[in-house]
Amino acid sequence: EAQVTQNPRYLITVTGKKLTVTCSQNMNHEYMSWYRQDPGLGLRQIYYSMNVEVTDKGDVPEGYKVSRKEKRNFPLILESPSPNQTSLYFCASRGPGRGTEAFFGQGTRLTVV
Amino acid sequence: AQSVTQLDSHVSVSEGTPVLLRCNYSSSYSPSLFWYVQHPNKGLQLLLKYTSAATLVKGINGFEAEFKKSETSFHLTKPSAHMSDAAEYFCVVSDRPPPGGSYIPTFGRGTSLIVHP
Repeated sequence: EAQVTQNPRYLITVTGKKLTVTCSQNMNHEYMSWYRQDPGLGLRQIYYSMNVEVTDKGDVPEGYKVSRKEKRNFPLILESPSPNQTSLYFCASRGPGRGTEAFFGQGTRLTVV
Repeated sequence: AQSVTQLDSHVSVSEGTPVLLRCNYSSSYSPSLFWYVQHPNKGLQLLLKYTSAATLVKGINGFEAEFKKSETSFHLTKPSAHMSDAAEYFCVVSDRPPPGGSYIPTFGRGTSLIVHP
């Protein structure tokens, strides 16, 4: 089954404690991305990657890091989380071409206290 | 540059009545357009997409959308709402990329569909 898997689904952490949210896809997609979803703001792109070792900033990259060492994995790293990073995070992957849809993970609800 | 505007943050309908969720887009080229649905505590699921073929697009669960270039719109409709349609809906535009780039989608802010019994 084609899927994007994020872990963990829920996470509560304290300010300043480094954390990583993992994302893995099994569709051999080159394009992967991370979004955060906040009430009234829709989904905003944090980072995206068009292939292995190729990453770029989205609309709201401050406070986040990513890496793309393998095609299937695209972890999101918060080196020093702050309360304003409390949000719902989604990872997505997509095949090539203009008409291909994105496949989304189930989301990670992060709370930073 | 591309952008998308969902004209209503909330839409409330009664079960059995028509649904209209409005979306306007801005694009420098011929865009691809998508509608996604997000049920509570779930990820996003594709409802339908437009990619320069037929302007009337049929999706899952009885939803349709019509691409109107002259109005730069891609409104989502359904003839008869069900309780299970209550969810958040996102309109997405994806423009032609720059040389060497990729199609990067832009999301609308979402419309919350409320269905009353």
